[in-house]
Amino acid sequence: DGGITQSPKYLFRKEGQNVTLSCEQNLNHDAMYWYRQDPGQGLRLIYYSQIVNDFQKGDIAEGYSVSREKKESFPLTVTSAQKNPTAFYLCASSIRRTGLDEKLFFGSGTQLSVL
Amino acid sequence: GEDVEQSLFLSVREGDSSVINCTYTDSSSTYLYWYKQEPGAGLQLLTYIFSNMDMKQDQRLTVLLNKKDKHLSLRIADTQTGDSAIYFCAERADYKLSFGAGTTVTVRA
Repeated sequence: DGGITQSPKYLFRKEGQNVTLSCEQNLNHDAMYWYRQDPGQGLRLIYYSQIVNDFQKGDIAEGYSVSREKKESFPLTVTSAQKNPTAFYLCASSIRRTGLDEKLFFGSGTQLSVL
Repeated sequence: GEDVEQSLFLSVREGDSSVINCTYTDSSSTYLYWYKQEPGAGLQLLTYIFSNMDMKQDQRLTVLLNKKDKHLSLRIADTQTGDSAIYFCAERADYKLSFGAGTTVTVRA
């Protein structure tokens, strides 16, 4: 079955630690995205990538980093510079980013909490 | 800029219709979407409408778009317990997707 796999489901971060969230897709989609979800707020875009070896900052990129070395994979690192990392993180993909009717397919999310 | 607003909660009796409302601000929106999120899961696309349409029906779902008032609604007919979830409205303008905060729908027996 094609889809997007996020791991781990739950992650805990200690003070000053960097943690990496995994996102893998086998949908052959070009575009991938990371969103942050906080209770009572809409999804906010952290980073997106339209093609391998290219990525762009979203609305709240500070304290985060990404890489896109393979089409299937778009890992997100939450660095120690992100002072309020507790949130639900959602990875998504679409066939391409530039189509006006592009539909996003989401993974099942990673809940990150601070110890 | 873009700003999508939704009411946060809706309680509905099983078998009744649910209506979830959304307002947006960007008049250049091209597509508007409704996503559903079940507890602890990602978002699932339910339906979408192009901005030159005013209605779209898909089985139990009806989307109404009032472009003049920038108002979008999702009606779920014969609401079932499996419809309990958070529903997100999203608009696409200038290749960017903006989400509302989500409406938590609770279906009571």
